[in-house]
Amino acid sequence: ETGVTQTPRHLVMGMTNKKSLKCEQHLGHNAMYWYKQSAKKPLELMFVYSLEERVENNSVPSRFSPECPNSSHLFLHLHTLQPEDSALYLCASSQDGTVTDTQYFGPGTRLTVL
Amino acid sequence: SQQGEEDPQALSIQEGENATMNCSYKTSINNLQWYRQNSGRGLVHLILIRSNEREKHSGRLRVTLDTSKKSSSLLITASRAADTASYFCATDATAGGTSYGKLTFGQGTILTVHP
Repeated sequence: ETGVTQTPRHLVMGMTNKKSLKCEQHLGHNAMYWYKQSAKKPLELMFVYSLEERVENNSVPSRFSPECPNSSHLFLHLHTLQPEDSALYLCASSQDGTVTDTQYFGPGTRLTVL
Repeated sequence: SQQGEEDPQALSIQEGENATMNCSYKTSINNLQWYRQNSGRGLVHLILIRSNEREKHSGRLRVTLDTSKKSSSLLITASRAADTASYFCATDATAGGTSYGKLTFGQGTILTVHP
């Protein structure tokens, strides 16, 4: 579909579990993003990484922990989540993270917290 | 406060008709982008219009931008059933002087095109 892949596509976890979401981009981009899309709410930016450095943490609770080991990979580590964290988590990448960049999105991970 | 708000929330039309979706925003912008999302999937970039542009075309898409009214519209001409999707506008506010691509999305318009 695009040059951004996400795994897993679906995840069901209990509130005490620890899991990780993975995103990989094959576009040679330098910036990567995590978004959360909940039902009936606008898409919310969570984190931005530019050249593997976090440049934005949009007041996200500490139970979400991002990791960007290199410019092609982005992880979102999850622990002790709440049912209201159930949502579609989207990863995106862009060339340089500038305001005129087009962002390319992955297909998302549908997360359900029981 | 929400930066981009689309109107209408839902639009249902027949194939061949035109579909118009509107987006309003609150603060000054560098550019405005339109994205499309098929049900439960990732977003696909459609078109970007810069703050100094008034109109832009891409295939069957026509986007207008009125910075004085802080609004934009997306027109899809000769719609097809395959155009059924949610459409979002996204803005990158200049306020705060951020230089990276922090986009703020609206809630979207759900477009249904009946064959």
